[in-house]
Amino acid sequence: EVQLVESGGGLVQPGGSLRLSCAASEFTFSYYWMHWVRQTPGKGLMWISRISGDGSHTNYADSVRGRLTVSRDNAKNTVYLQMNSLGAEDTAIYYCAGGNIYRLNFWGQGTLVTVSS
Amino acid sequence: QSVLTQPPSVSAAPGQKVTISCSGSNSNIGSNYLSWYQHLPGTAPKLLIYEYDKRPSGIPDRFSGSKSGASATLVITGLQTGDEADYYCGTWDSSLGAVVFGGGTKLTVL
Repeated sequence: EVQLVESGGGLVQPGGSLRLSCAASEFTFSYYWMHWVRQTPGKGLMWISRISGDGSHTNYADSVRGRLTVSRDNAKNTVYLQMNSLGAEDTAIYYCAGGNIYRLNFWGQGTLVTVSS
Repeated sequence: QSVLTQPPSVSAAPGQKVTISCSGSNSNIGSNYLSWYQHLPGTAPKLLIYEYDKRPSGIPDRFSGSKSGASATLVITGLQTGDEADYYCGTWDSSLGAVVFGGGTKLTVL
């Protein structure tokens, strides 16, 4: 069964940094685009970023471009999200998902990031 | 404010049918494949429908999708209490260069 497990969430102070990881198993990781999506408390889903199977192409939502960086290590079947200059508006559950350029076929359970002093 | 517009909530009785709409524009639904996702809070979202009307394996045929112009519709028939969840439409927006989601529709099975 396809599995995605996010980790690295937690409490961080405003202006701080955090790196999220998403470990994949039971599918050919390098074949798939990987996405990050977040859900702020009481709100809907918001797409943040995606990275191509070989890592050569990345895209970002305007609201996070320049502060968040997506990367992947296909040897470790893991995708990462480096988050810098965090603010209260970044408090959310962060999901990783695998699919193609526009479709998210399978998702992880999410990891909670709380930005607070 | 979401790029794709969904009703905030819908409700129906068990066994009945419910329709959830998703309205967009030519730069998203009108020109790019749309998917529907089911999300029970605290769990991983699930792909329900892709490319407007296709079901991944394991998704029952009670769930169906369609598209008309720059809008799409998710229909759930034979409602079950287990269908209570938030439903999101999503697609690529060629103008924004981003994946966009609707605001989500909370389904209540009365």
